[in-house]
Amino acid sequence: KNQVEQSPQSLIILEGKNCTLQCNYTVSPFSNLRWYKQDTGRGPVSLTIMTFSENTKSNGRYTATLDADTKQSSLHITASQLSDSASYICVVSDRGSTLGRLYFGRGTQLTVWP
Amino acid sequence: EADIYQTPRYLVIGTGKKITLECSQTMGHDKMYWYQQDPGMELHLIHYSYGVNSTEKGDLSSESTVSRIRTEHFPLTLESARPSHTSQYLCASSERGDRGFYNEQFFGPGTRLTVL
Repeated sequence: KNQVEQSPQSLIILEGKNCTLQCNYTVSPFSNLRWYKQDTGRGPVSLTIMTFSENTKSNGRYTATLDADTKQSSLHITASQLSDSASYICVVSDRGSTLGRLYFGRGTQLTVWP
Repeated sequence: EADIYQTPRYLVIGTGKKITLECSQTMGHDKMYWYQQDPGMELHLIHYSYGVNSTEKGDLSSESTVSRIRTEHFPLTLESARPSHTSQYLCASSERGDRGFYNEQFFGPGTRLTVL
């Protein structure tokens, strides 16, 4: 069964600190993996995308890693800011067809305190 | 920020009412989607469309219906709302890439529906 599991479910950190969010997936055949940021009451916004051949991708203070062998990904946030408070969702796409089927994790709820 | 819009943003209605959630995009994307999301849970695909006059049911069974008469417009309708329909509804769109696979999905801000 194709699944995406994220940990931790929630995380509280102080402003300026770093943190790492985890994503494990069983989606096969794998196409790509995205990390989305979803602010409360808003739709998700894409942060990074990685294909099978990529093992790291950065977007400002966000750095995502991918280990396609172990089917694990992480999102590292550096020097956190209050605006980083949001839900971070791991989304995996399969390449079984051109339909681009997406599998969503439940997200990690990150809270950054001043 | 993506050019995809949803109205209303918040809706509180009584049981049995008919409602339509609006979604429109100005990016010319051919594929559009509706997702349902409950607090702390993953997004579930309830409807999608490949283009005008195309509608398909998603993975999560839903009593809602959709239509796609124009490329930019993909409304969702509930004929008789019930408390079990209380949820957040997210609309998204994407375009077909060079290799035939659909690219990134752009999401609207969502509609928070509460049925009393």
